Amino acid sequence: EDKVVQSPLSLVVHEGDTVTLNCSYEVTNFRSLLWYKQEKKAPTFLFMLTSSGIEKKSGRLSSILDKKELFSILNITATQTGDSAVYLCAVEGRDSNYQLIWGAGTKLIIKP
Amino acid sequence: DARVTQTPRHKVTEMGQEVTMRCQPILGHNTVFWYRQTMMQGLELLAYFRNRAPLDDSGMPKDRFSAEMPDATLATLKIQPSEPRDSAVYFCASGLRVWGQTNTGELFFGEGSRLTVL
Repeated sequence: EDKVVQSPLSLVVHEGDTVTLNCSYEVTNFRSLLWYKQEKKAPTFLFMLTSSGIEKKSGRLSSILDKKELFSILNITATQTGDSAVYLCAVEGRDSNYQLIWGAGTKLIIKP
Repeated sequence: DARVTQTPRHKVTEMGQEVTMRCQPILGHNTVFWYRQTMMQGLELLAYFRNRAPLDDSGMPKDRFSAEMPDATLATLKIQPSEPRDSAVYFCASGLRVWGQTNTGELFFGEGSRLTVL
């Protein structure tokens, strides 16, 4: 059965710290992995990863995929209180009929 | 500014009542998803449409839930009769799946409909 596991489930750090969020997956015929940020409302898209070893970067956020070890990490450097959110990882596999399999999310709290 | 629009934003109803949630996907998008989110279960897929055809609704309790896309600008999710355990936030998301593209790509989420069944 396809599954996506995120760790840690929750994380509390101080402003300015660097955090690494993990997403491991088991999906038949992997197609892509996506990261979303969810604050109070709807999830908003961060990154889509399809190839191993190629870092995607947006400001202080970056992500990379390892298709051999079946995981991805999301890094946030110099964290700010506005980074507090639930970070969701989702994976698409061809055999899942192109649906996204979602992880439970990592709740990140940044303390001032 | 293209976005997915959902109505109602909030709904409080009594057990046994019918609830209908509506979604207007982004114009031109050909995939539509209905998700339910609770603290306990996270994001659960309820239904998935591509080009208005239902592809997967295996996550949906068939006896009380139904999902339709009467046209390309409207997707509906209906619960009849509603139960307290249906209380959750229901999200609609849409995306563009291009023929020959190897992945679904980014999904755009609506603001959600928060349902409370008393």
